[in-house]
Amino acid sequence: SSELTQDPAVSVALGQTVRITCQGDSLRSYYASWYQQKPGQAPVLVIYGKNNRPSGIPDRFSGSSSGNTASLTITGAQAEDEADYYCNSRDSSGNRVVFGGGTKLTVL
Amino acid sequence: EVQLVQSGAEVKKPGESLKISCKGSGYSFTSYWIGWVRQMPGKGLEWMGIIYPGDSDTRYSPSFQGQVTISADKSISTAYLQWSSLKASDTAMYYCVRFVLSQWLFDYWGQGTLVTVSS
Repeated sequence: SSELTQDPAVSVALGQTVRITCQGDSLRSYYASWYQQKPGQAPVLVIYGKNNRPSGIPDRFSGSSSGNTASLTITGAQAEDEADYYCNSRDSSGNRVVFGGGTKLTVL
Repeated sequence: EVQLVQSGAEVKKPGESLKISCKGSGYSFTSYWIGWVRQMPGKGLEWMGIIYPGDSDTRYSPSFQGQVTISADKSISTAYLQWSSLKASDTAMYYCVRFVLSQWLFDYWGQGTLVTVSS
């Protein structure tokens, strides 16, 4: 079982705002990073650190954190945002990489 | 431009050995950790381990320690993932990734190598 917990599936209406969450004790001490994976493609880093976007990632993607929960927010979801989203961070010991189980986002 | 280019898909039988590769370019290969991530069919991402090509310091996930070997040849900017005896349960997509230790994230991903193990 993963030390980071994500909801398996979330849906959002086109153009609306959706928040995808990631819970884990280690998130009280460390930031999460977020990855988007579309079918048949490698994952892509979309958010890291406090709230940083790599070059080329649209500004509708943002990140936040509170307590043991990290969140990825998509403001004005587009059809092309339909994908699996994974969080990652350290485990509770701080020495190992862990991934969340992933959230499948459906844009209606 | 940073690129991680992986070797092609493999079909193997149980018990066979395998070594897949990942060639980095567009950056200083010896200055960043390289990791491997497994994705079994229809499943999520699993961290396998990382290696620092500069000095070959290697760290494994407990789930993969002893099951695979991660290595690197800095002279040709290439990292490897190898198995000595494959099992059907090793069937998966394997991604090589550049790991930024200071932020504990994977900023560049290879295209993936599909390994199929079947009798």
